[in-house]
Amino acid sequence: GENVEQHPSTLSVQEGDSAVIKCTYSDSASNYFPWYKQELGKRPQLIIDIRSNVGEKKDQRIAVTLNKTAKHFSLHITETQPEDSAVYFCAATGTASKLTFGTGTRLQVTL
Amino acid sequence: EAGVAQSPRYKIIEKRQSVAFWCNPISGHATLYWYQQILGQGPKLLIQFQNNGVVDDSQLPKDRFSAERLKGVDSTLKIQPAKLEDSAVYLCASSRGGFAVGGETQYFGPGTRLLVL
Repeated sequence: GENVEQHPSTLSVQEGDSAVIKCTYSDSASNYFPWYKQELGKRPQLIIDIRSNVGEKKDQRIAVTLNKTAKHFSLHITETQPEDSAVYFCAATGTASKLTFGTGTRLQVTL
Repeated sequence: EAGVAQSPRYKIIEKRQSVAFWCNPISGHATLYWYQQILGQGPKLLIQFQNNGVVDDSQLPKDRFSAERLKGVDSTLKIQPAKLEDSAVYLCASSRGGFAVGGETQYFGPGTRLLVL
């Protein structure tokens, strides 16, 4: 089945700096890659997603890039703010058509 | 539109007891998912329904877990008997569905936090 690895597990940045979270996947047939943000005690919320026919997607301060050849995708957050502090999960849909999540990255934005 | 609803929000039980969780997906969503999220980990899919049929239950511990979605809308997940390692947040999610393939946005409910003592 699909295996998704996510790095780093924790990330601390100063307000205004950029943050990058990287994920790799194993199933070359995967075609959908969402990113979820989960604040403490709350539900995961979709912040951006990308499909395999697109290399990059941007939404205001958030961007995601996909390299199908290398089977990795990354989340980029620019001009980070304290409210960006949360756990971020990448995920991928493989041939089994089920969503497999990474292990999460705890992002801390300090003042 | 209303989001995914789950109840109860919290449950504390002793090991070997049984427990049931309820989920009401977003109206019109054909696909419903149950995930288990252990503290510090990402959600793990337990079972996926397309309308009232099971699409994937390969990671559901069938000796103790069961789930149903009889009328293709609400769903219940049951654990009987519970073990200590079942302590986790149980998340329900739904997507528009219409076909049993990946690539759909999944919307999550608030989850049920289960503690097994």
